[in-house]
Amino acid sequence: SAVISQKPSRDICQRGTSLTIQCQVDSQVTMMFWYRQQPGQSLTLIATANQGSEATYESGFVIDKFPISRPNLTFSTLTVSNMSPEDSSIYLCSVRQGLSGELFFGEGSRLTVL
Amino acid sequence: GESVGLHLPTLSVQEGDNSIINCAYSNSASDYFIWYKQESGKGPQFIIDIRSNMDKRQGQRVTVLLNKTVKHLSLQIAATQPGDSAVYFCAETGGRNDYKLSFGAGTTVTVRA
Repeated sequence: SAVISQKPSRDICQRGTSLTIQCQVDSQVTMMFWYRQQPGQSLTLIATANQGSEATYESGFVIDKFPISRPNLTFSTLTVSNMSPEDSSIYLCSVRQGLSGELFFGEGSRLTVL
Repeated sequence: GESVGLHLPTLSVQEGDNSIINCAYSNSASDYFIWYKQESGKGPQFIIDIRSNMDKRQGQRVTVLLNKTVKHLSLQIAATQPGDSAVYFCAETGGRNDYKLSFGAGTTVTVRA
């Protein structure tokens, strides 16, 4: 299985600032996704990170708020822009290898906005 | 809209007993199902998966059952251990070419010593 590293693992941020979360995978993967998990809730897909092109966002999520980069097959970033307390969540990177459909997750980045 | 959900938000089980976690889904086009385990402070960990052309799949101490007639998915854990205490999520994809997962609400399993 792929080993996924996320940075930072946690952070406390001030309202109105932005934070970029990094996701590094130890092998090339076909698909990368970003999820959000609000406190005590399930996971919600934010977007699919496309290598070399703009990310594909789910309903309710926009590029201006959550810009995503994926410069290669092993790395992606998610930025949470102009943060408010409602953005306090765990942000999770996940990857899909090959054709099996199995999805692996990173440990998440726990963001608290004051 | 169509979604995946779990019957019970919490489950308390005696150590050594078997656990059964249930999940109902509403999308008849769902093709692929996964169970994840999430321990406190960690990301979801893949447990077992099943495709719609199967009705049962077994792993180490775990069994997933799929009933497409009633759109029901269950995870059975044999001889539950303290390390099984976690939140369990079922997830599904909307179809053969849809690789995006929709997650259920989660069931918190607590193992009593």
